[in-house]
Amino acid sequence: SAVISQKPSRDICQRGTSLTIQCQVDSQVTMMFWYRQQPGQSLTLIATANQGSEATYESGFVIDKFPISRPNLTFSTLTVSNMSPEDSSIYLCSVGGQGGGYNEQFFGPGTRLTVL
Amino acid sequence: LAKTTQPISMDSYEGQEVNITCSHNNIATNDYITWYQQFPSQGPRFIIQGYKTKVTNEVASLFIPADRKSSTLSLPRVSLSDTAVYYCLVAIPNNAGNMLTFGGGTRLMVKP
Repeated sequence: SAVISQKPSRDICQRGTSLTIQCQVDSQVTMMFWYRQQPGQSLTLIATANQGSEATYESGFVIDKFPISRPNLTFSTLTVSNMSPEDSSIYLCSVGGQGGGYNEQFFGPGTRLTVL
Repeated sequence: LAKTTQPISMDSYEGQEVNITCSHNNIATNDYITWYQQFPSQGPRFIIQGYKTKVTNEVASLFIPADRKSSTLSLPRVSLSDTAVYYCLVAIPNNAGNMLTFGGGTRLMVKP
């Protein structure tokens, strides 16, 4: 298993600003993912963070709003840009399990974002 | 339209067996079905995954019929600490490939 940490654990931000969330893994992993989870709701995949290339975004999510960096195999950042109250959510990163697959994922503790 | 559907909530008592079913009417033919457990203020935790028939590990069993249009997570003899939200995760085909899709989650309440 992998140990994943996220920073910050929570934040309260003003409308129109941006927040960068960091995800650190204790081992090198091939696949890293970013999810959004609104309180009491299920998880929605935002994008797959690819090391050495641009992230792969799911339908409804775009790079201008959620730029992602993946400088190496243990670290990734997700930026929530030009925030609005609708962006208030929990943002989670995860990594693929053994063999690099996406089925057995290990999740970070999440970052709780509130936009005023 | 492909959907992934779970019961919103279930109640049980300590020591009982709990079965949670996820319906997924159109999933990728070559991908696993995976189940996760989530406690408040934590990220989901992997429980079990399977492709077809039955899979069992130290905490749960997973039953998948031949048509793979559903899957059932079975928790034997639940305890209070099993109170959590349980999600299925499947890959749904779309125009861009396979989309990882979590079910809506089933909130399990285990009572003493």
